[in-house]
Amino acid sequence: RKEVEQDPGPFNVPEGATVAFNCTYSNSASQSFFWYRQDCRKEPKLLMSVYSSGNEDGRFTAQLNRASQYISLLIRDSKLSDSATYLCVVNQAGTALIFGKGTTLSVSS
Amino acid sequence: GAVVSQHPSRVICKSGTSVKIECRSLDFQATTMFWYRQFPKQSLMLMATSNEGSKATYEQGVEKDKFLINHASLTLSTLTVTSAHPEDSSFYICSATGWGLAGGGSYEQYFGPGTRLTVT
Repeated sequence: RKEVEQDPGPFNVPEGATVAFNCTYSNSASQSFFWYRQDCRKEPKLLMSVYSSGNEDGRFTAQLNRASQYISLLIRDSKLSDSATYLCVVNQAGTALIFGKGTTLSVSS
Repeated sequence: GAVVSQHPSRVICKSGTSVKIECRSLDFQATTMFWYRQFPKQSLMLMATSNEGSKATYEQGVEKDKFLINHASLTLSTLTVTSAHPEDSSFYICSATGWGLAGGGSYEQYFGPGTRLTVT
C-alpha cells in the first residue's frame, strides 16, 4: 500500500465550480500534513498546511481526519489559474515529505 | 516565505561526465536538506536526506557513490551526479527545513526551483 494515495484525476471543471480532492495516508505516526501545488515543469509550492481543526484560506478549505487518516482539499469558485497538480503531503517532524502522486485539475472557461 | 535557490536551473551534459547541483537557503539556516527526483508524470521521489555536518542518508535504491551529497554548512548542500547516463535525466529538486520557519512547531519545507538535467 502506498504511503500517500490520491485520485490522479484529471478533474476537468468549468470556472466557478467547486471541486474536492481526497487523500489517504498509511502512516498513523504522521504529524504534519500539507497541500502543495505544482505547475507543469515547476517545483512544488506550499498551498496550505492542514490542521486537525480544519482550516480555510480564501477559496481553499483543508480538512484532516486523523482517525480515518484522510485529508481533503476543497476549492470553491474555481479560477482558470487554479489549473495545476495538487499534491497531498505528509511527514513527521524533521523528516522528508512524503508525496502523493498528485491530482490534476483543469479549469476551463 | 523562506527562499531556497538552486543552481543551475538547467544543464545538458554528455554521458560519462559529472554534474554538480547547488542548493542554498537564502534567508534561514537549514538544519536539514532533502534531495528529490521527479521523472515526467511521476511524483517526487526522495533520494536522500542531508543534515548539516553529517553524512547523507540515502533511500533504498539510490546509489550513494553515484549521487554524492555534501552539506558542509547550514545554507548550502550540493548534489553531484557522477558519471551521468541518459537514464539520470530528470528534474532534481532540493528542499530545506529549519526550526521556526513557520513561526511555530511545524517543520515546513521550502523547495528550490529545481534543476532539469538532460544527459545526452
